[in-house]
Formats: sequence, C-alpha cells, structure tokens
Amino acid sequence: GIQVEQSPPDLILQEGANSTLRCNFSDSVNNLQWFHQNPWGQLINLFYIPSGTKQNGRLSATTVATERYSLLYISSSQTTDSGVYFCAVEGAGSARQLTFGSGTQLTVLP
Amino acid sequence: NAGVTQTPKFQVLKTGQSMTLQCAQDMNHEYMSWYRQDPGMGLRLIHYSVGAGITDQGEVPNGYNVSRSTTEDFPLRLLSAAPSQTSVYFCASSPKRQGRTGELFFGEGSRLTVL
Repeated sequence: GIQVEQSPPDLILQEGANSTLRCNFSDSVNNLQWFHQNPWGQLINLFYIPSGTKQNGRLSATTVATERYSLLYISSSQTTDSGVYFCAVEGAGSARQLTFGSGTQLTVLP
Repeated sequence: NAGVTQTPKFQVLKTGQSMTLQCAQDMNHEYMSWYRQDPGMGLRLIHYSVGAGITDQGEVPNGYNVSRSTTEDFPLRLLSAAPSQTSVYFCASSPKRQGRTGELFFGEGSRLTVL
C-alpha cells in the first residue's frame, strides 16, 4: 500500500515563530488532507488539498502531487497550535481508504 | 447539528468479552469509517462503508465486525476482546466527492482498555 512519511516527528517553537511541516507519499493520490489533534485528543480537519495551495488564517498548505509531497505552513504560532499534525492520503489505487502518516508533534512555548 | 457522535467515551473490558462502539452522524454523509490510534502511531483504518448495506475491510480488520443498516449509523463490534485491542477508537464520516473521499469529520473518540 501507499506509504506516508511526515517530518519532523517533533518540533518545539517559541510563540510567534513560523514553521513548515512536510508530508511525503509514495504513490499517486486522489486526495490529501491535513488534521490537527489537540492535546485533548480531538481531531480537526484543517485542509482538503489534493493539489494546489489553500490558506486559512495563519495556516496554509501546498500539495505538489506530481512530486508527491505536501507542506503545511504555520505562521505566528500560538500556544493553541500545540498538538499533533497528521496528513492522510487516499491512494489512487485504494479508493475511499485514507492512509495516515505518523504525525508531527508540535509544542509551542509561551 | 451534532456532527459525529460516538459512545461510550470510555470502556473497560475483560479478555473475551464482547461490546459494541456506537457511531452516528447527522450530516447525511455517504462514507463512514472506523480507525484505531495507538501511542506514537497515526490512525489505522479498521473498516469502512461507502453507503447503507455496503462495508469493506481496512488495514486492521481482524477481531472487529461492522454493519451499516442506515446512512446515519455505523457500529463497531468487538467479538472477543483481547489486550491487543486496547486503543483509542475514532469514527469518521465524509461526503462523497466525485467518487472519492471528501473532507473527513471525526467523532471525539472512545478509549477502550482490555484487561
């Protein structure tokens, strides 16, 4: 099946700093989504982004499907951004099945 | 609009017991799925459904059973609980987008411990 790798596995930032999280995948995808899991365990959908660039406030994401990667940008980070960020892909050969990466654990210090 | 509702939020079982995790969504989504999350790992797909009466296996289906009799409900059954099934379980739903999975919406999770 498709492989999904996220980097870095851990990231510690001071409040106000910017960061870039990366998601690499091993095969063609139908779609790609980014999620935030907060410290209480809730999973929130951030972006549905099979290709191109999207922005939502301080967060933006870019997927370059032809090169098999996606980036999540967090600008002016806040303590509430802390948690785990997951990307998940639906492989072109695995319709309707999402494969998740292992996540990036982000800690934003005040 | 409640979204995706899972019950119970916490459960402790003894090895060999059976139980059902309930999941309901009120967004009229075609797709529903169950994932498990183990420490330090991403989510792994257990079973999924593309519509009422249709279910299929995901990456880790052994020991679990599902059914989809209505669009709204997608219960997950543990047939004979084992300690390896200690995990946090998430139910999710998504609309269909041009035959593909749309944005995934998750329930709050159910923490299961098997002794």
